[in-house]
Amino acid sequence: QKEVEQNSGPLSVPEGAIASLNCTYSDRGSQSFFWYRQYSGKSPELIMFIYSNGDKEDGRFTAQLNKASQYVSLLIRDSQPSDSATYLCALGADRGSTLGRLYFGRGTQLTVWP
Amino acid sequence: DGGITQSPKYLFRKEGQNVTLSCEQNLNHDAMYWYRQDPGQGLRLIYYSQIVNDFQKGDIAEGYSVSREKKESFPLTVTSAQKNPTAFYLCASSRGPNQPQHFGDGTRLSIL
Repeated sequence: QKEVEQNSGPLSVPEGAIASLNCTYSDRGSQSFFWYRQYSGKSPELIMFIYSNGDKEDGRFTAQLNKASQYVSLLIRDSQPSDSATYLCALGADRGSTLGRLYFGRGTQLTVWP
Repeated sequence: DGGITQSPKYLFRKEGQNVTLSCEQNLNHDAMYWYRQDPGQGLRLIYYSQIVNDFQKGDIAEGYSVSREKKESFPLTVTSAQKNPTAFYLCASSRGPNQPQHFGDGTRLSIL
């Protein structure tokens, strides 16, 4: 079983600030990492995925991966009230009998106040 | 438009009854997944399938069954052996290992 840990929050930031969401994981061999956003009562939607060490930017979102330290983070710049949601971190089982499945953290609830 | 369709959106189960949740995708994805989410909780994997006619148990498979007879379809049956079925059920699909999973809109199951 792969462990994926997220701060449950809630994380509260003012509009326009940078929101930083963090995730640590136990399996040093993991190769694929994903961030999902889930609004209350809705299904998760993919925000970012990252496979290589370093930063990956997409609009206001930046995913950061550090495999040596076993953490992946999501930065949201210029946070908006519409970003208020639960953010789920997931990592892929990239080999072995569980190849293809994802392991999810329990999510961090983000509130952006105007 | 390509996507994942789950039906019904809401479902009620009587005691001792089996119910089947539908999941269909037209994304030509090889892999499909079923998750359960309880209020305030994360996602728990029930079953997943990487190819047609093959599937694997996830972390909470007891009381559930699946089939994968067609690439596009991965129905989930909640059997009467599942004593606490009330939850939000999510179906997902992906092109394969290491690829992002995309979710349907979910089915909310409650006990009558």
